[in-house]
Amino acid sequence: EAGVAQSPRYKIIEKRQSVAFWCNPISGHATLYWYQQILGQGPKLLIQFQNNGVVDDSQLPKDRFSAERLKGVDSTLKIQPAKLEDSAVYLCASSSDRTVDTQYFGPGTRLTVL
Amino acid sequence: QKEVEQNSGPLSVPEGAIASLNCTYSDRGSQSFFWYRQYSGKSPELIMSIYSNGDKEDGRFTAQLNKASQYVSLLIRDSQPSDSATYLCAVKSFMVGGSQGNLIFGKGTKLSVKP
Repeated sequence: EAGVAQSPRYKIIEKRQSVAFWCNPISGHATLYWYQQILGQGPKLLIQFQNNGVVDDSQLPKDRFSAERLKGVDSTLKIQPAKLEDSAVYLCASSSDRTVDTQYFGPGTRLTVL
Repeated sequence: QKEVEQNSGPLSVPEGAIASLNCTYSDRGSQSFFWYRQYSGKSPELIMSIYSNGDKEDGRFTAQLNKASQYVSLLIRDSQPSDSATYLCAVKSFMVGGSQGNLIFGKGTKLSVKP
């Protein structure tokens, strides 16, 4: 079974630029999560999707961050414009259903904002 | 603000010893507790979950939960150099303004097992 796929693995941009990250969850997994992990901290949930609907985006900075999962499979997270403090690893995770506790994480995208 | 607290370490133990990792949480209503292992530069991997007070054993790993004290721990017996990683404690909690229980992670404890 293929795991959670993410791309790109690394991205370097300048502040005020835009960036997008892509995630493809494990096949058949209905629930998809985006986390932000700043160096030295634990992952922080940004948004949770169930199929193509948003279940929880209470911690997503909506003035600059957006995410979509249009067909209920893969997802895109966008930052526009980026700030220095957005430098982090962006992790995508999936689970078979939102009631299932086990989440499988992708390899992450390391973002550096200069 | 619901919080999960861990000692950041590093915790250094000799090979073959018992490593003890601790975590406290602020949300008394939390019902689900997890330990993730994260190797440097890698993504978190679930190693243990616990839902009831007491101990839960899985191989060399034992998770302990005390809801009255809002405390969860992870013991690693016969520690190996391959256990060297950051261990993240996560608690399922309900966010203010959110509709679903979601994971709140601690900052992690870095474990180093010396040969």
